[in-house]
Amino acid sequence: EDKVVQSPLSLVVHEGDTVTLNCSYEVTNFRSLLWYKQEKKAPTFLFMLTSSGIEKKSGRLSSILDKKELSSILNITATQTGDSAIYLCAPANAGGTSYGKLTFGQGTILTVHP
Amino acid sequence: NAGVMQNPRHLVRRRGQEARLRCSPMKGHSHVYWYRQLPEEGLKFMVYLQKENIIDESGMPKERFSAEFPKEGPSILRIQQVVRGDSAAYFCASSSGPGDATDTQYFGPGTRLTVL
Repeated sequence: EDKVVQSPLSLVVHEGDTVTLNCSYEVTNFRSLLWYKQEKKAPTFLFMLTSSGIEKKSGRLSSILDKKELSSILNITATQTGDSAIYLCAPANAGGTSYGKLTFGQGTILTVHP
Repeated sequence: NAGVMQNPRHLVRRRGQEARLRCSPMKGHSHVYWYRQLPEEGLKFMVYLQKENIIDESGMPKERFSAEFPKEGPSILRIQQVVRGDSAAYFCASSSGPGDATDTQYFGPGTRLTVL
């Protein structure tokens, strides 16, 4: 069965801090890995990673995939209170009828205090 | 370009009633996925549909749950004879289909189902 483990489960920081969120996965037919941000509504897409070692960046957020270690990290620099959310990672399946199916981790709850 | 639309946003049902949840994918998207988020749990895959076809329903309970994505109109997730354990947030996501740049799934706002 596909498995995703995120760590830490929760994190409390102050504005301006830098955080690193971790995601480890075991997926039988790996295609890509997606990161989402979930506030009190729908998960919002952040990044899709398909190649090892290539950093994707969007403003203060960046992410990288390590296919050898079956892991990914999400970095947020100079955190702001608006970054408070649950961050979800989800590998996408490449196999047959399960193509595209996302397996979600339990998420990291990030709280940023002013 | 409107995003993924779901309705209703909140649905209250009594035990034994039926719940119908609707999802309209983003314009140009023909692949729909349904996920369920139980309280204090992560998102779990339920079913993957393309127009008029169920591709993968491995995550959907065998009884009481069904899904469709007709040629015209939204995708429907139907739960018959609801029980309290069905109370959850149900999210729909859509993508434009297979391909490195196109299989990103975009999520709708969800339907929060409460079973009394």
